[in-house]
Amino acid sequence: KNQVEQSPQSLIILEGKNCTLQCNYTVSPFSNLRWYKQDTGRGPVSLTIMTFSENTKSNGRYTATLDADTKQSSLHITASQLSDSASYICVVSWSWGNTPLVFGKGTRLSVIA
Amino acid sequence: DAGVIQSPRHEVTEMGQEVTLRCKPISGHDYLFWYRQTMMRGLELLIYFNNNVPIDDSGMPEDRFSAKMPNASFSTLKIQPSEPRDSAVYFCASSFFPTSEYNEQFFGPGTRLTVL
Repeated sequence: KNQVEQSPQSLIILEGKNCTLQCNYTVSPFSNLRWYKQDTGRGPVSLTIMTFSENTKSNGRYTATLDADTKQSSLHITASQLSDSASYICVVSWSWGNTPLVFGKGTRLSVIA
Repeated sequence: DAGVIQSPRHEVTEMGQEVTLRCKPISGHDYLFWYRQTMMRGLELLIYFNNNVPIDDSGMPEDRFSAKMPNASFSTLKIQPSEPRDSAVYFCASSFFPTSEYNEQFFGPGTRLTVL
């Protein structure tokens, strides 16, 4: 069964600290993996997209890594800011393009002063 | 472009009533998706359209749910009759025809549905 598991479910960190969120998937065959940021009360917004041939991609203070062999991905946030408080959702596609998608349940990150 | 537009943003209704959610995709996008999000199950794909034609509706929970896309700029998701377990946030998303693996889905702000 195609699944995406994320850990931890929730995380609280101090402003300025770094953190890493984890994503494990069983989707096969694999096409691409995306990380989305979802602010409270809003729709998800894409942070990064990686295909099986890529093992890292950055977007500002966000860096995603992918190990297609172990089917694991991580999202590293550097020098966290209060505005990073959100849910981060890992999404995997097994077909070319963007359909269909398998969603993780997300990690709820709270950055506190 | 204003992005994906959804209405209403909030809907509160009583069990048994009909509910209609509306979506206007980004102009020029060929795909439209309807999702449901709950705390327990996260985001779930309900149905998606390509060029106004339903492609996969296997995520639609039951016959009480129906979706239409009469033209390229408008889609509806209808629940009739509604039940308390339908309470969730419903998202609409749209994207271009996949010309690469990097094609992006753009999400609307969602409609928060509460069925009493």
